[in-house]
Amino acid sequence: KQEVTQIPAALSVPEGENLVLNCSFTDSAIYNLQWFRQDPGKGLTSLLLIQSSQREQTSGRLNASLDKSSGRSTLYIAASQPGDSATYLCAVKGGTGFQKLVFGTGTRLLVSP
Amino acid sequence: EAQVTQNPRYLITVTGKKLTVTCSQNMNHEYMSWYRQDPGLGLRQIYYSMNVEVTDKGDVPEGYKVSRKEKRNFPLILESPSPNQTSLYFCASSLGGSGWDQETQYFGPGTRLLVL
Repeated sequence: KQEVTQIPAALSVPEGENLVLNCSFTDSAIYNLQWFRQDPGKGLTSLLLIQSSQREQTSGRLNASLDKSSGRSTLYIAASQPGDSATYLCAVKGGTGFQKLVFGTGTRLLVSP
Repeated sequence: EAQVTQNPRYLITVTGKKLTVTCSQNMNHEYMSWYRQDPGLGLRQIYYSMNVEVTDKGDVPEGYKVSRKEKRNFPLILESPSPNQTSLYFCASSLGGSGWDQETQYFGPGTRLLVL
């Protein structure tokens, strides 16, 4: 059964810092990995999707990498801003369950001005 | 605007009183699903639907029902709610079809349910 772990559970940084969020998964037979952002009281917003054949994806200040063989992904946020404060979730799709996403429990990020 | 909508956003009810949470998407997506989010457990899939009249169980289907009579709607039904169904519920959709493995899922804003 696929399990997804995110470390750290919470992170507090001053504005301007570069930071890395980690995601690990137990079954490397995945189709893709997706990073989401969740703001308090809001739904999930998709940030980046990495296909199993890809190594990384970039969108603005965000860069996500995928090492399928080791079961790891990282989300790199450059020059963090207070508006980046949110919970970041990674989710993998694959194995049994066709379209099902298996989520990690998230990293709660606070960026202070 | 492309979106997934859910209603109601907040609901307080009592044990045993049947309720329905609606989900609608305007993107002509084939695939829809329901998740619940609980502290420390993350999001877990309840049910999903590959297309009209095609539904299947996710990881935590007990106590829930769904239906998919129209492509755009995927309601979640709690026939006899219990306190352990207190949670934050999300509906999601994606295009489906031959490129399903490459797709992004789009989520609704969530429904916070409290069962007393």
